[in-house]
Amino acid sequence: SQKIEQNSEALNIQEGKTATLTCNYTNYSPAYLQWYRQDPGRGPVFLLLIRENEKEKRKERLKVTFDTTLKQSLFHITASQPADSATYLCARPLGNTPLVFGKGTRLSVIA
Amino acid sequence: SQTIHQWPATLVQPVGSPLSLECTVEGTSNPNLYWYRQAAGRGLQLLFYSVGIGQISSEVPQNLSASRPQDRQFILSSKKLLLSDSGFYLCAWGKTPKFSGNTIYFGEGSWLTVV
Repeated sequence: SQKIEQNSEALNIQEGKTATLTCNYTNYSPAYLQWYRQDPGRGPVFLLLIRENEKEKRKERLKVTFDTTLKQSLFHITASQPADSATYLCARPLGNTPLVFGKGTRLSVIA
Repeated sequence: SQTIHQWPATLVQPVGSPLSLECTVEGTSNPNLYWYRQAAGRGLQLLFYSVGIGQISSEVPQNLSASRPQDRQFILSSKKLLLSDSGFYLCAWGKTPKFSGNTIYFGEGSWLTVV
């Protein structure tokens, strides 16, 4: 069964708007969730980690939330720019195994 | 600073041929090492991980194997490639011993096309 899901394969938004990407998980709440950015033909790059006891984490224009009741993490990019266009992946640990990744959401910011 | 190198960057191999992808990490010791595969339209699939020399854990049974002959070297191999082995292979490393809070750092990837 799928342990982590990113339901939107693609998201198109206008430049300057806030992009919101969703990551849902099943089973028990992980100790943390991570978000990565992947550009075409490149390896993913780590962006943010949010722990179970943190409701929100910010880094420049990025904001991540973690809702253990909804079993969901939201990833926001404010004042989005065309350079933010990429695929964004969420990931969680599962027991003693390494990170399990979602399929990703491809974000396109249109100028 | 730590760096990860992965090669070759691209390769086209016939069905039934062998495969060897190599990955090395610099600037750290005793890293956790990983091989992931990303097929078209699918997410990152963990293939193998290693917490030390000679210690390999396999996540998906298939015709691939991995070896860790040195602390910072990780090799992905196959004796006979299948068409379904085509994909984007990513080597990665992380620090913590039990994966908790484990940020993973990826290499640039290797594109494999089996024809």
